[in-house]
Amino acid sequence: EPEVTQTPSHQVTQMGQEVILRCVPISNHLYFYWYRQILGQKVEFLVSFYNNEISEKSEIFDDQFSVERPDGSNFTLKIRSTKLEDSAMYFCASDRGLTYEQYFGPGTRLTVT
Amino acid sequence: KQEVTQIPAALSVPEGENLVLNCSFTDSAIYNLQWFRQDPGKGLTSLLLIQSSQREQTSGRLNASLDKSSGRSTLYIAASQPGDSATYLCAGVNTGFQKLVFGTGTRLLVSP
Repeated sequence: EPEVTQTPSHQVTQMGQEVILRCVPISNHLYFYWYRQILGQKVEFLVSFYNNEISEKSEIFDDQFSVERPDGSNFTLKIRSTKLEDSAMYFCASDRGLTYEQYFGPGTRLTVT
Repeated sequence: KQEVTQIPAALSVPEGENLVLNCSFTDSAIYNLQWFRQDPGKGLTSLLLIQSSQREQTSGRLNASLDKSSGRSTLYIAASQPGDSATYLCAGVNTGFQKLVFGTGTRLLVSP
């Protein structure tokens, strides 16, 4: 069964460094998403992406964040200058755009020290 | 602004019991409601999707219902098993939007 994959599973970085989180959505899906979950808190929406552009973003998704679909398979989230409060589990998701049922990847745990 | 609440926050039951998890939302303009399972330190597994035109969905021992007028969804788990132990999350998508708004989850423990 097709699934969303994410790399790396765990990333440790120093404050101020740039990180890129990678995702490979399910191949025939059209909508792509990033969410994050700070330890012990709710899963929060960051951004949605459709037809090579951002279709919706939250107030969390400020100028420090960017997304890109550099080729036909990868979907990336870049954080330009990480802060301690960016430490969280980051989930990628995708859907086909028919029922809008979103399928999630296993997540990347980002630890900023 | 859509807000999603789940009650109870935690639930502990003996194996074999039938149980109900509750999810309430503040905005009835909900298009989809999805139930997920999350195991510790893991991703989210989609269990059931209920679209606004539907009232319930079933998958195996799971049954989810949606009542937009009362702002509630329930997840019914029949004949619970220790393998059902996990955190269960509900999340809704409002009409005209794409983002899922998540509840805080119910942590379920089924003891043998």
